[in-house]
Amino acid sequence: EAGVTQSPTHLIKTRGQQATLRCSPISGHTSVYWYQQALGLGLQFLLWYDEGEERNRGNFPPRFSGRQFPNYSSELNVNALELEDSALYLCASSLGGAGYTFGSGTRLTVV
Amino acid sequence: GQQVMQIPQYQHVQEGEDFTTYCNSSTTLSNIQWYKQRPGGHPVFLIQLVKSGEVKKQKRLTFQFGEAKKNSSLHITATQTTDVGTYFCAGPPGNTPLVFGKGTRLSVIA
Repeated sequence: EAGVTQSPTHLIKTRGQQATLRCSPISGHTSVYWYQQALGLGLQFLLWYDEGEERNRGNFPPRFSGRQFPNYSSELNVNALELEDSALYLCASSLGGAGYTFGSGTRLTVV
Repeated sequence: GQQVMQIPQYQHVQEGEDFTTYCNSSTTLSNIQWYKQRPGGHPVFLIQLVKSGEVKKQKRLTFQFGEAKKNSSLHITATQTTDVGTYFCAGPPGNTPLVFGKGTRLSVIA
């Protein structure tokens, strides 16, 4: 069984640009979660999608947005990038909220 | 909002010593989950505890869920170098995504 896949692995952007990160959940998982992990910090919840709908969002500005497609894959968009957006962005999927399976993450660097 | 706190933040042990990390939530949890993140890796699900006072074991790892369902602990007996990483606890405040603690980073000195 394929795990959660994320792309790209690394992304380097200039301040003010936009970044798009992608995630494919485990087959059969309808929930996708996005977390931000800044260097040395814990996981901060960004967004939760389930059945194509945004169910919850964390305490992040509106320039963090995303969507979930009919095949349950998801996209995270970050507009007007700031230096402090540099972090590891992790996507996870689950079935019913128990035991998240994380992808390997996208390392976003804003210069 | 709900807060999940973990102590200690860092722990350095000699190989063969025991290790314990503690997790406390500001609210009662329906369940608590534990994850391990190796250096340079991503979090990997270890276990979920649901019942008050529940104790589960995985080889050298022992997980406990407090009676009030607001605290939990992870104990590793006789640490090995393969145990190195950051251990996170996480709980869902209702039907919402997991709130993670900041983790305990374990270093094992051979």
